[in-house]
Amino acid sequence: DMKVTQMPRYLIKRMGENVLLECGQDMSHETMYWYRQDPGLGLQLIYISYDVDSNSEGDIPKGYRVSRKKREHFSLILDSAKTNQTSVYFCASSFMDRGDTQYFGPGTRLLVL
Amino acid sequence: SQLAEENLWALSVHEGESVTVNCSYKTSITALQWYRQKSGEGPAQLILIRSNEREKRNGRLRATLDTSSQSSSLSITATRCEDTAVYFCATSSSGSWQLIFGSGTQLTVMP
Repeated sequence: DMKVTQMPRYLIKRMGENVLLECGQDMSHETMYWYRQDPGLGLQLIYISYDVDSNSEGDIPKGYRVSRKKREHFSLILDSAKTNQTSVYFCASSFMDRGDTQYFGPGTRLLVL
Repeated sequence: SQLAEENLWALSVHEGESVTVNCSYKTSITALQWYRQKSGEGPAQLILIRSNEREKRNGRLRATLDTSSQSSSLSITATRCEDTAVYFCATSSSGSWQLIFGSGTQLTVMP
């Protein structure tokens, strides 16, 4: 059963706290992604990972960093969260083929107070 | 400005009717995908249509691609209430791993 999981599903943090969002996939996909989704803005790419320890910035990487130590696991870290990082974060994965299908997780709803 | 965008922010139809969502894009693409996102869920791919294809079907769904006008359409026949969702088009280009998503069209199917 092809699946992308995200933990936690909901998170409330205070400004300045550190945030760790976790993503897992069971499809042995090489490529994984982190997006954020805000009303009216669609999906914005934060980071892309081509494989273990091979990460690249997307369109809006400022304020975020990522870690990928295992192919099936990809983490998004917010060091000292800001209120404008309140958003819904989606993780996705795909095979290493430009333009291939991306499989999305259910999302993490983050509120930074 | 968006490199891919759906032409309407919102649509509503009654159950059983057909509906078409349109998308335009601004770059040369290798493929275009249509995704659906239901409330509280992540996007899920409906159809992938490559640049050398003109039409693709998936059950009640039909996608077309016109590379000359840089546009695509997604048609849904015999709509159901469970088709209520946001529909996105997303494009891919050679030399990039990135999918460019439009901002989406909210489709509401009423009983």
